[in-house]
Amino acid sequence: DSGVTQTPKHLITATGQRVTLRCSPRSGDLSVYWYQQSLDQGLQFLIQYYNGEERAKGNILERFSAQQFPDLHSELNLSSLELGDSALYFCASSDKTGMNTEAFFGQGTRLTVV
Amino acid sequence: QQQVKQSPQSLIVQKGGISIINCAYENTAFDYFPWYQQFPGKGPALLIAIRPDVSEKKEGRFTISFNKSAKQFSLHIMDSQPGDSATYFCAAAFNYQLIWGAGTKLIIKP
Repeated sequence: DSGVTQTPKHLITATGQRVTLRCSPRSGDLSVYWYQQSLDQGLQFLIQYYNGEERAKGNILERFSAQQFPDLHSELNLSSLELGDSALYFCASSDKTGMNTEAFFGQGTRLTVV
Repeated sequence: QQQVKQSPQSLIVQKGGISIINCAYENTAFDYFPWYQQFPGKGPALLIAIRPDVSEKKEGRFTISFNKSAKQFSLHIMDSQPGDSATYFCAAAFNYQLIWGAGTKLIIKP
């Protein structure tokens, strides 16, 4: 158990809808990272927050947004969903601000858009 | 300049054999090179990582070999076991950049 909690584990929704994925980092970790993993592919970095502030942005679509709250949990909002958004979404956390450090991953949220 | 190329895409090794996965990068600013292991339905977990000031790091049966001049690094799994069957990802990081390889699906045959 990595100590990173993601909810829900599975989500099925229709095209055009909006969903929110939630992540609780490990106790004491200030950084939260979001990744997308499509079927049989590597991980695509979406966005990083550190102590409530956005620190780095990757290949995140304009339809997607995220935030980190004062209690350090984070939410990833996906809107105007398309079939191609179906993927595993992972959250990771670390106690450092940069990317060049160990990150601990949650079990992921499997999103299916129908 | 931001790519990390990982090979092979898939690998089958006999139990007890050596599994070798290779990665190559272009950006010389990268200063952290982790390997992650991912089992089906689970999130990636850090296996071993190296920084460019050393050429080799060993942890149990897992070894990273790092060639700074060639901009290549590799993962060696000695005495491979069926429980090592998983997808392995290399990555390269610098400050706020973290680039992942495409992954290698490793199958260890008993």
